[in-house]
Amino acid sequence: DAGVTQSPTHLIKTRGQQVTLRCSPKSGHDTVSWYQQALGQGPQFIFQYYEEEERQRGNFPDRFSGHQFPNYSSELNVNALLLGDSALYLCASSRTGNGSPLHFGNGTRLTVT
Amino acid sequence: DQQVKQNSPSLSVQEGRISILNCDYTNSMFDYFLWYKKYPAEGPTFLISISSIKDKNEDGRFTVFLNKSAKHLSLHIVPSQPGDSAVYFCAASADNYGQNFVFGPGTRLSVLP
Repeated sequence: DAGVTQSPTHLIKTRGQQVTLRCSPKSGHDTVSWYQQALGQGPQFIFQYYEEEERQRGNFPDRFSGHQFPNYSSELNVNALLLGDSALYLCASSRTGNGSPLHFGNGTRLTVT
Repeated sequence: DQQVKQNSPSLSVQEGRISILNCDYTNSMFDYFLWYKKYPAEGPTFLISISSIKDKNEDGRFTVFLNKSAKHLSLHIVPSQPGDSAVYFCAASADNYGQNFVFGPGTRLSVLP
């Protein structure tokens, strides 16, 4: 049973560019959340997708957008990259409903130069 | 404004002894709490959870205690093993779906053989 898979594992981009990160949820999960983890900090909630719609959003600018596909997989897009966007981007999936823990992928390490 | 705090950045414990990791929160609306463990180059792994209707939850060597009046929770690991060496994150949720989690900054646990 495959867990949460993310691609790519590492990415280097230049300031001003755009990036797309991908995530396939754990089998049986229908909800995907994205988190940003800066060095030395805990993960910070970006947004959550359920039924192909953004259900909740954290305190991130509109440069961060996402999408969920009918097969529950998801993409995170970041436009106009800034140096401060360098971080580990974690995708987490879960079954919708209260009390369902998040299952995380191994993340995509994004470096913006 | 950190809503979830883990005031000890690191902790060292001898193998076989008890590890106690602490977490404090400020938002009284938080009603569901999780602990995650993270190894380098891997995503966080779910360990144990507790809802606000309980004050204790056990799973094998792991026990989480919740003190709602003090807005404090702790994770006890007994006995500690070298494989427990990792970064531990406390996370809390207040939303109806229980899936928008606020993470603490983490505590690095080192279990010495």
